[in-house]
Order: sequence, then C-alpha cells, then structure tokens
Amino acid sequence: DSGVTQTPKHLITATGQRVTLRCSPRSGDLSVYWYQQSLDQGLQFLIHYYNGEERAKGNILERFSAQQFPDLHSELNLSSLELGDSALYFCASSKGLAGGPITDTQYFGPGTRLTVL
Amino acid sequence: AQTVTQSQPEMSVQEAETVTLSCTYDTSESDYYLFWYKQPPSRQMILVIRQEAYKQQNATENRFSVNFQKAAKSFSLKISDSQLGDAAMYFCAYRTPGGTSYGKLTFGQGTILTVHP
Repeated sequence: DSGVTQTPKHLITATGQRVTLRCSPRSGDLSVYWYQQSLDQGLQFLIHYYNGEERAKGNILERFSAQQFPDLHSELNLSSLELGDSALYFCASSKGLAGGPITDTQYFGPGTRLTVL
Repeated sequence: AQTVTQSQPEMSVQEAETVTLSCTYDTSESDYYLFWYKQPPSRQMILVIRQEAYKQQNATENRFSVNFQKAAKSFSLKISDSQLGDAAMYFCAYRTPGGTSYGKLTFGQGTILTVHP
C-alpha cells in the first residue's frame, strides 16, 4: 500500500458525460501528479500540482481540468467524454519540489479505471 | 524532449534465474533521475529502484540492481533469483529535477516479464 488513495476504483459512463476522479496524497506530501494509462498512448503525464498551485502541464486535453484543495487532495475533472478517454487514471504524490530522489520519488495510487461507453 | 525506450516488449525467465531488462533514454540534460516501476496484474504502480544521474555507483535494492551507463544513456534492470511474484510489466522512467517540466515522469513502453516455475 503506497498510502495514496484514489476513488472511485471503477467508473463506467456514457459519451458526453462529465466525471470527477479524486486523489488523496500520502501524509506529508505536497505534490500531486496525474497520469493516464491507455493501450495506444501508454503512460502519459497529465498535470502536476504543488501545494495548491499548478506547476506543470503535460498532454492534458482542454476538456480535462484539475485542482488541488487546501487539504491537499486533488480532483481530476473529465468532461464531454469520448470513447478514447477510456483509460486507467493514476494519481501519484511526492514530498514536494525540493530535494533529491528520496523526497521526490512519486508513489502511485491504485488508479481509477474509466470506461466510456 | 526526453524520450525513454524499452526495446524488449516481452521477456521470460525461469524461477531462481537472472534476467536483465533494457532501457535507453535520450536527453540533453546532465542532471536527472531514473526509475524502474513494476506493474503487476493488479495494475498498481510499484517503485522498484531509483538512480541519481550524478552518482556513479549503481543502485541496488535486494535482488534488484541497475547498470547505469550515463554516456551511453542506458539504464538496465537486473533481477536476480527471480521469483514468481516478479511477474509483471516493468516500466523505465525518467525525471528532470527542474524547469517547467519539474516532476514529470516520462515512461518507456514497458516490458512484460513472465517467470516460469
């Protein structure tokens, strides 16, 4: 158990709908990262938040948005869903910006499997 | 942009034997971190080992060790005394320490490891 929690574990929805994925980082971690794992694109970085502020963006669609709240939990919002958005969405957390790999290692949650029908 | 390549889509090993998984990466940076993550059938991403680019000494974690060749941009994972529980998809990952992409992990395509009893 990495200490990172994600809810829900599974989500099945229809095209055009909107869903919210939730992530709680490990205790003491200030950074939260979101990744998407799909068969055709592999594992791709979406976005990074540090202590409530967006720090880096990857291949995140405009239909997707994220937030990190004062209690450090994060939500990934996916809207106008398409079939191609079906994937496993991971959240990872780490201590923060400073330090070497001991503090910057990212620990992954169990993921949310999203199926768009 | 950094890229990570795992040229072996699948590998197999007999229980108790040794196997080496290959990874190469492309970067123009001199300071970075490298990781191996394991993804068993449960889909959980589990950190196996990490290496700082500025360290010449190869990292080891119990039965897992790496062969880090900075000039060749190569980062292979050796699993000794393979166990059935080592069967999983293994991902090599690269992370930069700073800049606008701070924290982003770039993953290879993965190598499926099968362990035969």
